[in-house]
Amino acid sequence: GAVVSQHPSWVICKSGTSVKIECRSLDFQATTMFWYRQFPKQSLMLMATSNEGSKATYEQGVEKDKFLINHASLTLSTLTVTSAHPEDSSFYICSAPDMRKGNTEAFFGQGTRLTVV
Amino acid sequence: QKEVEQDPGPLSVPEGAIVSLNCTYSNSAFQYFMWYRQYSRKGPELLMYTYSSGNKEDGRFTAQVDKSSKYISLFIRDSQPSDSATYLCAMRPIYNQGGKLIFGQGTELSVKP
Repeated sequence: GAVVSQHPSWVICKSGTSVKIECRSLDFQATTMFWYRQFPKQSLMLMATSNEGSKATYEQGVEKDKFLINHASLTLSTLTVTSAHPEDSSFYICSAPDMRKGNTEAFFGQGTRLTVV
Repeated sequence: QKEVEQDPGPLSVPEGAIVSLNCTYSNSAFQYFMWYRQYSRKGPELLMYTYSSGNKEDGRFTAQVDKSSKYISLFIRDSQPSDSATYLCAMRPIYNQGGKLIFGQGTELSVKP
């Protein structure tokens, strides 16, 4: 299947600092990528849809000024958690649909575990 | 009511057992159905992908879709301890090409040796 790479896999940061997470589609182009947040033993919660060349679409209740999304190329989307606080500690996962075969199968990155201290 | 319902478990079975995982949904527009496996602290891995109704088999895994009942299943034959993970069902409508998936809560499976 297609490969989606997410970096870093884990990060610890101090409260008040910003953290950037990268999501790359390695062998296909992705005009759309999705960012999810997952709490322990819970399902994935969609935060936003990242669109190449245009503004991201945020789900209701997600602060766009806190979770900055940039999709500058067809293979890279970034999520920046600004002014992080301990409540932002979570597992963040990106996904990208591979539309080359006509059937859009979504592939996920490895996830990033963010701990804010 | 959630669009997709999935029993979170946990489900514990002995090695070699047949495992049945299920999801129900309410949106009749859903046409694409997926099963993902997620190991602890990892991203979900696509296991099976089916379109509309019917069965699909891949090795020890069989996915079934019953659109009339709005019910999908994943069967795992000869389960192994390495199958211990959380299994997530996901789906989307046909008009949402490349669009966001709707996920179930995930079922935590433990296969005991």
